Amino acid sequence: QEQLQESGPGLVKPSQTLSLTCTVSGGSISSNSYHWSYWSWLRQHPGQGLEWIGYIHNSGSASYNPSLMSRVTMSVDTSKNQFSLNLNSVTAADTAVYYCATLRWENYFENWGQGTLVTVSS
Amino acid sequence: QSALTQPPSASGSPGQSVTISCTGTSSDVSGYEYVSWYQQHPGKAPKLIIYEVTKRPSGVPDRFSASKSGNTASLTVSGLQAEDEADYYCSSYAGSNTYVFGTGTKVTVL
Repeated sequence: QEQLQESGPGLVKPSQTLSLTCTVSGGSISSNSYHWSYWSWLRQHPGQGLEWIGYIHNSGSASYNPSLMSRVTMSVDTSKNQFSLNLNSVTAADTAVYYCATLRWENYFENWGQGTLVTVSS
Repeated sequence: QSALTQPPSASGSPGQSVTISCTGTSSDVSGYEYVSWYQQHPGKAPKLIIYEVTKRPSGVPDRFSASKSGNTASLTVSGLQAEDEADYYCSSYAGSNTYVFGTGTKVTVL
C-alpha cells in the first residue's frame, strides 16, 4: 500500500494562499493500480472533527467541498508522484491540521498522511 | 451539506460493548451504501476501520462491527479494550462527488 506525506509551510499570513504538497511513495500514482483512486485533502480544526476539502484524479478531474469551492484548487504531478492543495484568501478559520489521503472508488479514505498543522496568523 | 450527527461521548468498561450512532439524511447515509468509520488516537491520523457500511479492512479486529438503518448508521465495539479509547468518526458519500463526516464521538474505556 502507498504511503502519503504532507509538506508545506506551517505558518501562512491572512489573505495569502495556503499551499501544501502530498508525496506518495510505494507506487507510481500514474500506474493502472491507481486508476480507481482519488487523491484527497481533508482538514481538522483544533479540537474539532474532520472536514473533506476535495479530491483530484490523475486525469485532472476534481471535486471540491461546496463550502470551500471558491477558494480551492488542486493539482497532480504524476512525474513527481505528488498532488497539491492551494487554498487562497485564508483567514484564522483555516487554521487546522491538513491531511492528504487516498480515496478509493468505493468511497472511503483508505490511507492517510500523518497530517501537518497550518496556522494562519500575521 | 451538514455534518452527520454523532453523540459527543460514549463509554464502557473493559470487555463490554459500546455502540455509536451516526445520523444523516436521505441525501447521504440512507441514500447510499457508502458509510465508513475511522478511529483516531490523540495526535494521530485517522485510521479506516469500516467501509461500505459493514466491511472491515484487513487487520481490523472483528470486535468492530457496523450496520445501517434508515438515516442512521451505527458502529459497535465489542469486548472493549484499553486501546479502543479514541475518537471515532463516521463518513458518508453525499452525492455529486462530495463527502461528509460526522461530528465525532470520544470513546472512553472506564
